[in-house]
Amino acid sequence: ETGVTQTPRHLVMGMTNKKSLKCEQHLGHNAMYWYKQSAKKPLELMFVYSLEERVENNSVPSRFSPECPNSSHLFLHLHTLQPEDSALYLCASSRRWSDTGELFFGEGSRLTVL
Amino acid sequence: AQSVTQLDSHVSVSEGTPVLLRCNYSSSYSPSLFWYVQHPNKGLQLLLKYTSAATLVKGINGFEAEFKKSETSFHLTKPSAHMSDAAEYFCVVTLSGAGSYQLTFGKGTKLSVIP
Repeated sequence: ETGVTQTPRHLVMGMTNKKSLKCEQHLGHNAMYWYKQSAKKPLELMFVYSLEERVENNSVPSRFSPECPNSSHLFLHLHTLQPEDSALYLCASSRRWSDTGELFFGEGSRLTVL
Repeated sequence: AQSVTQLDSHVSVSEGTPVLLRCNYSSSYSPSLFWYVQHPNKGLQLLLKYTSAATLVKGINGFEAEFKKSETSFHLTKPSAHMSDAAEYFCVVTLSGAGSYQLTFGKGTKLSVIP
C-alpha cells in the first residue's frame, strides 16, 4: 500500500457540479497539503493542515473548500469550478508542518472542468 | 524572499551519457535546497536535499547535486543516464529551518533519454 493515496485519479465535471477529492496517508504524519499543478507553472500550495487544523491558505478561491477530519484524511470539496481550474491536484504529507523535511506526495487527481 | 530558476525546460540525452539539470536560486538567507522527480502519471518523490551540511549531496538512483553559494546554483547531475530516468525534475528552495509549507518550486525540467 502506497504512503499517500488519492482518489479519484481522474475526474471530469461540469461547472455546476459538486465533487470531492480524497487523500489518505498511511505514514503517521501530522501535516497534510493540497497542491495545484498546472502545465508550465510551478506547483502552487493551496492549503496546509496540521493535526486537523488549517495553518495556511494561500488566497484560494472559495469554490475550493478543504476538510481535514483527522490527521490521516484530507478532502478537497469542489463546486462551481471554472475551466481554468483544470489541473492535477496533488496531496502531500510530512512529519510536521514546521519541519524542513521531505514531502511525500500522492499520485494526484487529474481534474477536467468542462 | 526566495525564488528558483530552472534554466532548461527540456533536456534530452542519450542513454549512458551524463545528465546535467541546472538550477539557480535566490534567497535572502541561508537556503535549504531540494530536487524532486516526477515520473509520468505519478506524484513527486524526493531525490536529494541540501540543508547546510556537506555541499555535495548524494541522492537516490545515482543522482547528486552540488551547492555552490558563490554561483547561487544547485545543479543536478548523474554520470550515466538510464531509460528509467526519463521524468520531470523540480528544483525547490526554502529558507534553512523554515517549514515544509514554505517551499518554492521551480517550473520543472523534463528529461528525455534516447535509447
